[in-house]
Formats: sequence, structure tokens, C-alpha cells
Amino acid sequence: AQSVAQPEDQVNVAEGNPLTVKCTYSVSGNPYLFWYVQYPNRGLQFLLKYITGDNLVKGSYGFEAEFNKSQTSFHLKKPSALVSDSALYFCAVREYGNKLVFGAGTILRVKS
Amino acid sequence: DTAVSQTPKYLVTQMGNDKSIKCEQNLGHDTMYWYKQDSKKFLKIMFSYNNKELIINETVPNRFSPKSPDKAHLNLHINSLELGDSAVYFCASSQAAGVSQETQYFGPGTRLLVL
Repeated sequence: AQSVAQPEDQVNVAEGNPLTVKCTYSVSGNPYLFWYVQYPNRGLQFLLKYITGDNLVKGSYGFEAEFNKSQTSFHLKKPSALVSDSALYFCAVREYGNKLVFGAGTILRVKS
Repeated sequence: DTAVSQTPKYLVTQMGNDKSIKCEQNLGHDTMYWYKQDSKKFLKIMFSYNNKELIINETVPNRFSPKSPDKAHLNLHINSLELGDSAVYFCASSQAAGVSQETQYFGPGTRLLVL
């Protein structure tokens, strides 16, 4: 079965600093990986996905993610964090039937 | 224009009651899903329908019955509600089930509280 792990429950970063939210994956075959963000009392918003091609994927709101096959990682990054980026971030992997298997989520707190 | 909408947004009910949550998407997608997010924010798929046909049923109790009257709607009916059913239920949709790179778009969620 496909799975993803988000090793950090929470990430704290100062506004203006770069941020990284970590995700590692375990799949058989080619991985199809996704990042979603959930703001308080809101639904999940799609940020970006890796299917194939360039290892650096650019997404919404200035976020990007780096696919690393040797380290089986798909970390989410942003060069300069905003307070408004504070939210719950989910990494996910596609499994059979196109269902998404989510990680446990990482709370990102950006302080001014 | 909301792409994936759910009603109601909040649902508070007593144990043993039967309730329904409705989902509609105006994206023209063929596939719709129900996910459950528990109190620890863990998300897990429950069902998936492709063009009104059930394709995923993730060992969900029989008390949960999805119904898809057409490919733009996927409703979730829950019988004999239990305390453990309290959660946030998210509907999602994507273009097609067989295409692995398809992005799923989520609704705003329905917060169910069973007392």
C-alpha cells in the first residue's frame, strides 16, 4: 500500500524566512504526490502535485516542492514565509482508484 | 462560484438519528469522493463514485450509504448515528478515476456533531 509520512507535527518559522514542510513517501511503482493546505474551518485547497518530469514543482501562493527519488521525499518549500501561510498542510499520495492517502498533517505557524 | 459545495455546513444531532449530507460539483467532473476527517485531523477516504457508479468503498459501516443521483451530485446518508461519527466530512471531485494525475478538488466540509 502507498503511504506518506509527515515527520513534524508542527513547524514554526519567522515571517520572511524560508520554510520547509517535510514529507516522505513509500510507494510501489511511480509516485503521484500532492500537497494540500487547510485553513481553519475551511476545506482543503490544492497547492501542487508531482506526476513526472522536473523534480522541482511550482504551485499556488508561491509554494514549491522538490521531489527526491533517492531520499523518497517530497518536501514543500517557500522562499519567504507569510503570516497568512499559517495553516495545516497535508501531503498525499495517489493510490488505486485515484483515492488519496494523506499524511497526518503538519501545522505551520508563521510568526511576525 | 463554488466549485464543490456541501450542505449543511454544520450538523448537530442526537445519537440514533438519521441524517444526510449533500454534495454538488459544477466542474463537470466524472468522479466524486467522500472523506472523513477525525478529531485529530486525520483524513481518510470513505467512498468514491465514477459517473454514478461506486468504485471505492473503504470498509465503512453499513450505516453509511452514499447515493449519486447524477454525476454532479454525491450525497451521504448516515443511519443510526453514533458518537464516533462526529467528524468533518469532505466531498471532493476529480475529472476521472482512471487518470492518475487528476487533481481532486474539495468542498468546504460538513462538521457533524453527534450528542
